[in-house]
Amino acid sequence: ILNVEQSPQSLHVQEGDSTNFTCSFPSSNFYALHWYRWETAKSPEALFVMTLNGDEKKKGRISATLNTKEGYSYLYIKGSQPEDSATYLCALPLDNNAGNMLTFGGGTRLMVKP
Amino acid sequence: DVKVTQSSRYLVKRTGEKVFLECVQDMDHENMFWYRQDPGLGLRLIYFSYDVKMKEKGDIPEGYSVSREKKERFSLILESASTNQTSMYLCASSLAGGNTEAFFGQGTRLTVV
Repeated sequence: ILNVEQSPQSLHVQEGDSTNFTCSFPSSNFYALHWYRWETAKSPEALFVMTLNGDEKKKGRISATLNTKEGYSYLYIKGSQPEDSATYLCALPLDNNAGNMLTFGGGTRLMVKP
Repeated sequence: DVKVTQSSRYLVKRTGEKVFLECVQDMDHENMFWYRQDPGLGLRLIYFSYDVKMKEKGDIPEGYSVSREKKERFSLILESASTNQTSMYLCASSLAGGNTEAFFGQGTRLTVV
């Protein structure tokens, strides 16, 4: 079992605030890290898949960084909007062969107040 | 666009019933997954399949079995439903390789009474 931890478990911010949360994972045998956004009543959707130490990816106001040596990734949201309210999940595959089981962290639930 | 379709959005079953949850994907993905999501526990992997007729147990396989007779279809079976299997069930699929994103179905909220 892969131990993937996310913090904080939940976060309440005001519209316009910038925020960030963390995904921690074992640094040995790293293959990739996925970030997903899960809005209420919808399916989880991929934000980023990151593979290289030092990777930085951006999609609009959301960005993510990856440190595979120390085993963490940060997700940043700049100028949060109510539509950013969702649960943010990170996941790692157990191995990189054909049989790659994706293991998810517990998620960070973000609520943005107007 | 990839589509992952789960057969039911909501389902109510009685304790002891055999329950089938069906999932179909239309993008020729090798990997298919079944997760359950419970408040405060995130997504927990029940079973995983990387090819037709191939399956691996996830973190919480007890009380469940799976079937993958065709590449596009992955079924989750609750042999004898119990109230502690009341949950949201999510199916997902992806290409082979750990660096490919997973695509999720809309979820099935199962209530066992």
